[in-house]
Parts: sequence; structure tokens; C-alpha cells
Amino acid sequence: EPEVTQTPSHQVTQMGQEVILRCVPISNHLYFYWYRQILGQKVEFLVSFYNNEISEKSEIFDDQFSVERPDGSNFTLKIRSTKLEDSAMYFCASSSITTGGGSPLHFGNGTRLTVT
Amino acid sequence: GIQVEQSPPDLILQEGANSTLRCNFSDSVNNLQWFHQNPWGQLINLFYIPSGTKQNGRLSATTVATERYSLLYISSSQTTDSGVYFCAVTIITQGGSEKLVFGKGTKLTVNP
Repeated sequence: EPEVTQTPSHQVTQMGQEVILRCVPISNHLYFYWYRQILGQKVEFLVSFYNNEISEKSEIFDDQFSVERPDGSNFTLKIRSTKLEDSAMYFCASSSITTGGGSPLHFGNGTRLTVT
Repeated sequence: GIQVEQSPPDLILQEGANSTLRCNFSDSVNNLQWFHQNPWGQLINLFYIPSGTKQNGRLSATTVATERYSLLYISSSQTTDSGVYFCAVTIITQGGSEKLVFGKGTKLTVNP
């Protein structure tokens, strides 16, 4: 069964550094998402992306965050200047059509980001 | 915004026991999914269930959309069922796109 692939599985970075989290969504999917889970808490929506542009972003997704689909397969989340509170598990997800339209959201295994 | 409440927050079972996890949501939703987060943090799709009942092996789920709740049944639990079970509902945002809103989860521990 096709999977959403995320790399790296774990990234440690120093405060103030830039990080790029990478995702390869399922190949025929059109809708892409990033979610975040701070340790011990619930999963929170960050941003959705469709047709090469952001369709929705949460209040968490401030100017420090950006997303990009640089080619036909990758989907990246960049944090420009990391803060301690950015430490979390970041999940990439994709779907073929909208979930309300009948398609479940498929999640990757996550990237655990630790900011020191 | 929409509220998604899961109960119980914690559940401890002996292997072989059955359990029911509940998810209540405060408003109409387009869809609902159940996930299992394993000890390694991976989110595993269990059910995509906007309404009705589905079964997959020892697991089954029922969503009653008109009454705004969903139930996840685990029968003959095994230690590998341990982890956190999340309910997530799909809502349409003000911008016209979609997002999942997650509950806080039920942490299940199955003891041998």
C-alpha cells in the first residue's frame, strides 16, 4: 500500500537555526498537510496546500514557517529560526480528494524535532 | 470552534478484555477518522467513518452523526493494542478548505 514518507525521522537543532522537514506524499494525491503534536498533547493542524498554494493555515503557522512543493514529489516544511517551543512531532499528510468528499487522510510516520 | 471530546482519557485493561472508546463532537462534521498512535509515535489509520458501522478484525467503529458521537470497540485486547487512540473530525474552514480537528485521545494500556 502506498505510504507518505517523511525524512528525517528525528532532527536535533539549536535554537535560531533553520530546519527543513521533508515529505513525499502518496503519488496521486492532490491535497497536502502539515500537522504538529507537542509531546503528550493532541495533534494540531498547521497548514493545508493545494494546487501549489496554501489553502488554509492556523495561527501557529506564523512568518517563521513556510511550505513548498519544489518538484512533483516532495513537500517541505521550513522553520526559519527555530524556538524551543517548536520542539514537537511534525506529521505530513495527504489525500486524493477532500476528506469530506470521501477520502481519508494518510499520515506519514512523523519527524520528531528537538530544539536545544 | 468545534470541540472534540474523548473518553475515557486513560484506560487500563488485562489482555483479552473488551473496551469501548467514545468520541463526542459539538457540531456537524463532514467526516470522522479514528487513529491509533503507537509507542513510536506513528499515526495509524483505523477507520474512516462518517456514519454507520465498520469492522476490521477485532476492531469496529460506529458513528451516529445525527447525535454527534462515535464509538470505537476493541475486542479481545492484546498488548499490541496499547497506545493512544485519537478521534479526528473533518471541518470546512472559513477559507473553504478542510482540516482535521483532533480530540485529546484515550491512552490505552493492555497488560499481559
